[in-house]
Amino acid sequence: AQSVTQLDSQVPVFEEAPVELRCNYSSSVSVYLFWYVQYPNQGLQLLLKYLSGSTLVKGINGFEAEFNKSQTSFHLRKPSVHISDTAEYFCAVLINTNAGKSTFGDGTTLTVKP
Amino acid sequence: GAVVSQHPSWVICKSGTSVKIECRSLDFQATTMFWYRQFPKQSLMLMATSNEGSKATYEQGVEKDKFLINHASLTLSTLTVTSAHPEDSSFYICSAPTSSNEQYFGPGTRLTVT
Repeated sequence: AQSVTQLDSQVPVFEEAPVELRCNYSSSVSVYLFWYVQYPNQGLQLLLKYLSGSTLVKGINGFEAEFNKSQTSFHLRKPSVHISDTAEYFCAVLINTNAGKSTFGDGTTLTVKP
Repeated sequence: GAVVSQHPSWVICKSGTSVKIECRSLDFQATTMFWYRQFPKQSLMLMATSNEGSKATYEQGVEKDKFLINHASLTLSTLTVTSAHPEDSSFYICSAPTSSNEQYFGPGTRLTVT
């Protein structure tokens, strides 16, 4: 079975500072990787995904993530955050044979302070 | 992009009554949909997989007689919380996977049982 660990439950950061949200996974087979953002009382919105190809993927809102197979990591980064980036962020893995059933991390609360 | 809607967005009901939540894929067909439950400050917990034209598959620990799922068409799945109790109060989110291994999430339904 696969699992996802988001290493930081809360990340406070000042506006315009860089941020990294860490995600590690474990799986015995190849996986697809995703980052989602959730604003209060809303569903999840896809930020970016890694399916294959280049290990550096760029997403919406200036976010990017790098897939590191040897370290089984998929950390999310943004060089300069805004107040509006304050939200909950979830890392997820999907096994191709699992009919779309993803496994989610526990989430990281990003709080951007002015 | 693909859109998934949920209705209602929030509902308040009395203990002992039943509540139905709808999940619709608006511009694509979904033979499979997923139902999640999310408690405050926590991750998504998969409750069940809804399969069009067949019985839903429930995750361990989820009462199938309490959380009735019907997937009557390729664009609609419903979750009915029967004989609701205050402990059923939660945020319920549905999602639908696409052929490109992405999941599109509904905006969620906030259920409050009084």
